[in-house]
Order: sequence, then C-alpha cells, then structure tokens
Amino acid sequence: SQQGEEDPQALSIQEGENATMNCSYKTSINNLQWYRQNSGRGLVHLILIRSNEREKHSGRLRVTLDTSKKSSSLLITASRAADTASYFCATDPLIGNTGKLIFGQGTTLQVKP
Amino acid sequence: DVKVTQSSRYLVKRTGEKVFLECVQDMDHENMFWYRQDPGLGLRLIYFSYDVKMKEKGDIPEGYSVSREKKERFSLILESASTNQTSMYLCASSPYVVRGRVTQYFGPGTRLLVL
Repeated sequence: SQQGEEDPQALSIQEGENATMNCSYKTSINNLQWYRQNSGRGLVHLILIRSNEREKHSGRLRVTLDTSKKSSSLLITASRAADTASYFCATDPLIGNTGKLIFGQGTTLQVKP
Repeated sequence: DVKVTQSSRYLVKRTGEKVFLECVQDMDHENMFWYRQDPGLGLRLIYFSYDVKMKEKGDIPEGYSVSREKKERFSLILESASTNQTSMYLCASSPYVVRGRVTQYFGPGTRLLVL
C-alpha cells in the first residue's frame, strides 16, 4: 500500500530557483525520509527527519515535518541542472518494526539551465 | 560505502520463461527488498527478507517468488514471465535497527522487458 503522496507529480523550474515538493502520509511514523532517483538508476537516500523533529537541513536541502497534518516538504534551494531527478518520500511506520519503508509515487523535478 | 549490485541492468525475456534477478549486498545487512517501479505507480514492494531463508510477502507478490540462501544474496524469481511483468526492478538492503533510523540502500535497477 502506498502511504506517501507527493505533490506536485512534476515540477519544472529554472536554474537558481527554489524547488518545493510536498508529501502527505496516513499513519503515525517513526521517521520520514527523502530519496532521489536519477533517470534509470536506483534511489539514493538524501535526508531523514524523526517524528519529534520539525525541521532539518543538509546543504541546500531543507525538510520540514508536521505530524499533526501528516505532511512533509522538501525544499531545494538555488537549484542546479544536476538536481534534475525524481524525489520520493518514504515513511517508517510507527507500528511494526520490520524495516519496511512505504514510498510515495514521487515528484519529477526538471531544472532548466 | 554500501554497495548493492544487481546482476543485469537490462534484460529481455520471452513470455513463459523463468527469470532470475540477482541482488548482492556487501554490508552484512539483515534486510533485503525487491520492488518494482512503474510510471505513475511509484515503488511497490514485491517481497522482503529479514534473515537468511526468511521472507515475507509485500504488496504485489503474485507471479513472483524469492530465495535467500545466503545473507548477502537475495534472488527474485519470475516463475513464468508475462508481459505485465515488464518493469524496472529495484533491490534494496538495510540493517536491522530497533526503532532506529532505518535507511535503505538501493541497487542500480534491472529493466526487464518481457516479449
């Protein structure tokens, strides 16, 4: 079952602009993670935010988490053409401890030079 | 660095063939996963394994089986390939962590075409 829903499904911006992607989920979580996938490749982990955290930064990435609204956002600042990829949120459900993550459908980001 | 490798990047098979997709990880991870990825559907979990010889069905196990005889290797088997199994297959691994920060490490993917 897909818990995460990303919004928008596709995003096209100019280099230097900021990109914001949103993720909503349904059940309580231990943490929420964001992954990136370059075209035709596997996913790469970007950042993890715990359920008791509200904001986290890593380089040009900023992630926020609102557990009351069951939503998260990923902000990429000063985007570059190399940021062109698909971005997925994944939730680690609070119930159960299997190591399974539930992935959303992804946001495809295109950054135009 | 964790390395997850998959036996093939591209594979073309005929309907009815038995297909083996192999995945190997080099970080002694307990958990291993097989996903398929289709446009508009995101990643869907087929099977996962939390230990040698242990497996659990994911969301879409029909038409697939798995084998984990060694900790580092997790195989996905399509018993009789069908055209609706044409997809991108992704393998992932993760360590077992109690209530911890479990992240998954992905292989490069195998793009399978069933004719």
